[in-house]
Amino acid sequence: ILNVEQSPQSLHVQEGDSTNFTCSFPSSNFYALHWYRWETAKSPEALFVMTLNGDEKKKGRISATLNTKEGYSYLYIKGSQPEDSATYLCAFGGSGDKLTFGTGTRLAVRP
Amino acid sequence: DVKVTQSSRYLVKRTGEKVFLECVQDMDHENMFWYRQDPGLGLRLIYFSYDVKMKEKGDIPEGYSVSREKKERFSLILESASTNQTSMYLCATGGREPYEQYFGPGTRLTVT
Repeated sequence: ILNVEQSPQSLHVQEGDSTNFTCSFPSSNFYALHWYRWETAKSPEALFVMTLNGDEKKKGRISATLNTKEGYSYLYIKGSQPEDSATYLCAFGGSGDKLTFGTGTRLAVRP
Repeated sequence: DVKVTQSSRYLVKRTGEKVFLECVQDMDHENMFWYRQDPGLGLRLIYFSYDVKMKEKGDIPEGYSVSREKKERFSLILESASTNQTSMYLCATGGREPYEQYFGPGTRLTVT
């Protein structure tokens, strides 16, 4: 079983703070790295998928970077809002279409 | 928009009962997946299917089986439910490269 690790496990920030999380994954047999946001009582929702070393993706205040050589990805949230409160999951895709998920980072943003 | 639906949001069953969890997708995707999510363990793959009548074991298949008779429907079966199968179960469907997955809302199963 592949090892995909996320840190921190949980994070509490004040509205307006910027924050970032880390996902580390195997650097061999890499195909894609996915980020999902999972809000309480909803389905996990895809944020980004990155396939190339050095990829950077952005959606509004959220962005992500990818380093496949050293096996890590960062997710950044600029100016956190209460609606950003969710669990953020990363998933490693090796050769093929199965994904291996990390345990997630639970973010709580206080108004 | 991809729509993935699961038959129940909450389910309570007794130990030893046979349990069916159903998942339906409307995007004509070949790939479908069943995961369970437990605190501190993340999403773990139980079974997946590449096509009708095809199935492959995931990382934790013990105690489960699956059925895929139609492309849009993927069922997870607990032959004899046990308390350690109390969990949140998520179905997902997957498109082609880069293999993004689309999730259903989940079924929270409690086995008493």
